[in-house]
Amino acid sequence: DQQVKQNSPSLSVQEGRISILNCDYTNSMFDYFLWYKKYPAEGPTFLISISSIKDKNEDGRFTVFLNKSAKHLSLHIVPSQPGDSAVYFCAASAEDSNYQLIWGAGTKLIIKP
Amino acid sequence: NAGVMQNPRHLVRRRGQEARLRCSPMKGHSHVYWYRQLPEEGLKFMVYLQKENIIDESGMPKERFSAEFPKEGPSILRIQQVVRGDSAAYFCASSPSFARTYNEQFFGPGTRLTVL
Repeated sequence: DQQVKQNSPSLSVQEGRISILNCDYTNSMFDYFLWYKKYPAEGPTFLISISSIKDKNEDGRFTVFLNKSAKHLSLHIVPSQPGDSAVYFCAASAEDSNYQLIWGAGTKLIIKP
Repeated sequence: NAGVMQNPRHLVRRRGQEARLRCSPMKGHSHVYWYRQLPEEGLKFMVYLQKENIIDESGMPKERFSAEFPKEGPSILRIQQVVRGDSAAYFCASSPSFARTYNEQFFGPGTRLTVL
C-alpha cells in the first residue's frame, strides 16, 4: 500500500532546461510535503517543503507545486545544473504523526551536458 | 562540526548472525530517528528515540529488532538472527529537539547491510 508514489524511476534532462519531478499521494490526511535530494553513498538532505495551506513554494531554482484536489505535487528545477544529478525523494506527513514521514521510492535525475 | 555519523558503512552478515548498527548524532542533538530503505523503495520510519527513551517504535518489526540510545555513546540498532530480507540501507537522522519541521532532521550516510 504505497501512500506516496513517484512513478518515474528515472528522468534525463538537458543542462539548462527545466526538470520536473512528480509525486502522487493517496492519503488525504497528509498536510505537509517535502522533497529530499540524495547523492550516492550519502544520506538524504532536505531540499524544500510545502504545507497543504499553500499551492506553491519557491526557493531559488527550486519550486514545489501542490495540487490538493489531484493529490499531486511536483518539483521544478530551473535551470538544471550538472550538480542536480541525484535521486529525489518525495515525502509526506499527517498532522497526527508529524515525525513519521512517508516516503516515495525516489526518482533518479540525470542532467546531461 | 561533524554531521551525523554511522558505522559501519557496509556490513556483511550470514543468516542467523547479529548485526549492530551505530549512529552518532550531530553535536547537541538528543533525538535520533532510524529509517530503513529496501531496494527500489523509499525510506521507511522504524523508531524514534531520545536519550535513554524510546518514544515511538511503531515502525520497527516486533521480533529480532531493537534500538537504544544510551545516556553516553551512540544509538544502536540491533538485528538478531538476520535473514536475507533484512538486507537494506539503514539511515539514521538526528535533530536538536523534537523536529516539528523536517528540515531539522539531518541524515547520516547510512549503513548498507548485506545478509548472505
